[in-house]
Amino acid sequence: QLQLQETGPGLVKPSETLSLTCSVSGASIGRDTYYWGWIRQPPGRGLEWIGNIYYPGSASYNPSLESRVTISADTSKNQFSLKLNSVTAADTAVYYCARRSVLHGYYYMDVWGKGTTVIVSS
Amino acid sequence: EIVLTQSPGTLSLSPGERVTLSCRASQRVGTSFIAWYQHKPGQAPRLLIFGASTRATGIPDRFSGSGSGTDFTLTISRLEPEDFAVYYCQHYGSTFGQGTKLEIK
Repeated sequence: QLQLQETGPGLVKPSETLSLTCSVSGASIGRDTYYWGWIRQPPGRGLEWIGNIYYPGSASYNPSLESRVTISADTSKNQFSLKLNSVTAADTAVYYCARRSVLHGYYYMDVWGKGTTVIVSS
Repeated sequence: EIVLTQSPGTLSLSPGERVTLSCRASQRVGTSFIAWYQHKPGQAPRLLIFGASTRATGIPDRFSGSGSGTDFTLTISRLEPEDFAVYYCQHYGSTFGQGTKLEIK
């Protein structure tokens, strides 16, 4: 059964880099033909797509975050990661990782991690 | 860039009622690119519908999706207490609408 789990610091200082990892079990991110993505939800707001990665292809990002975001994959550990630099309080959110399926021409996120809360504060 | 606009922002309804949620895209999109999710506090979002109208595995048949072009809808035929949540549409497995909150009246 496919499972995703987000890990990383729960507190990040303003202007620093937020780094999260999503560990995948039950599927191989290097072999299976899926994309892997990050989504966040700031307090009191809706879901915001951050970006997706397809290994060994390229990553795509939300234009509003693109200048600060990098998503990468480590197939040896079956993990993919999010780095968001120059964070501010506006980056405080619950961060989710998810599998983005593109099977048969359909696009959706069918398996999600439980989410991890990141607070940006000094 | 496609922008998805959901309406209304909040709906107050009673169990047993029928509800239709709207998702409008800023330009025509393919039906295969539209998905709907249910999100409850403290939980991960749950995929309900993909391809605009196909229910995901295990989703009750009171949930249905339809639409084409720029206008898409999610209908819950008879609200159950567990259906009160926030609902999001999504394009291309990427961009989300701003969500519609269903609250108990």
